[in-house]
Amino acid sequence: EPEVTQTPSHQVTQMGQEVILRCVPISNHLYFYWYRQILGQKVEFLVSFYNNEISEKSEIFDDQFSVERPDGSNFTLKIRSTKLEDSAMYFCASSELDVAGEQFFGPGTRLTVL
Amino acid sequence: AQSVTQLDSHVSVSEGTPVLLRCNYSSSYSPSLFWYVQHPNKGLQLLLKYTSAATLVKGINGFEAEFKKSETSFHLTKPSAHMSDAAEYFCVVSTIQGAQKLVFGQGTRLTINP
Repeated sequence: EPEVTQTPSHQVTQMGQEVILRCVPISNHLYFYWYRQILGQKVEFLVSFYNNEISEKSEIFDDQFSVERPDGSNFTLKIRSTKLEDSAMYFCASSELDVAGEQFFGPGTRLTVL
Repeated sequence: AQSVTQLDSHVSVSEGTPVLLRCNYSSSYSPSLFWYVQHPNKGLQLLLKYTSAATLVKGINGFEAEFKKSETSFHLTKPSAHMSDAAEYFCVVSTIQGAQKLVFGQGTRLTINP
């Protein structure tokens, strides 16, 4: 069964450093998403991506964040200068459809900023 | 704006007894509603979804949920709990205009006692 994969499973970084979280969505999916979950809080939407551009982004997704689909398979989330409050679990998801389409989630990357 | 409230942060039941996880939603539009499950160290898996068809929705692993517009509820039930059902459950509502953004409830941790 096809699945969304994410690497690394756990990333530890120093405050101010850049990190890139990687995701491989399901191959025939066209819509891609990033969510995050700070420990003890809700899963929050960050950004959606379609046709090589951002479709929608939340208030959290400021200039420190960027997304890219560098090739036909990967989808990345970059945080340019990490802050302590960026520590969270980051989930990638993909879907075949947008409206009411099921989103398939990866296992997540736990980011720890020291 | 869409929002979801899960009424219990933790539910504990005995194996073989019924499960009820409660969810209320708020939406300006006819919502699409989902229940996702997260087992430890795993990604979010879709249990079931409601997209304005039948109000009683059947999902995987014997779970079902009933959409009640008058009560703005979408409670998740299962007649008989199994030890493997122990996990975190998320009630989710989606926007239906433009790119699909999922809005998560805070989650309910389900514990199954032998």
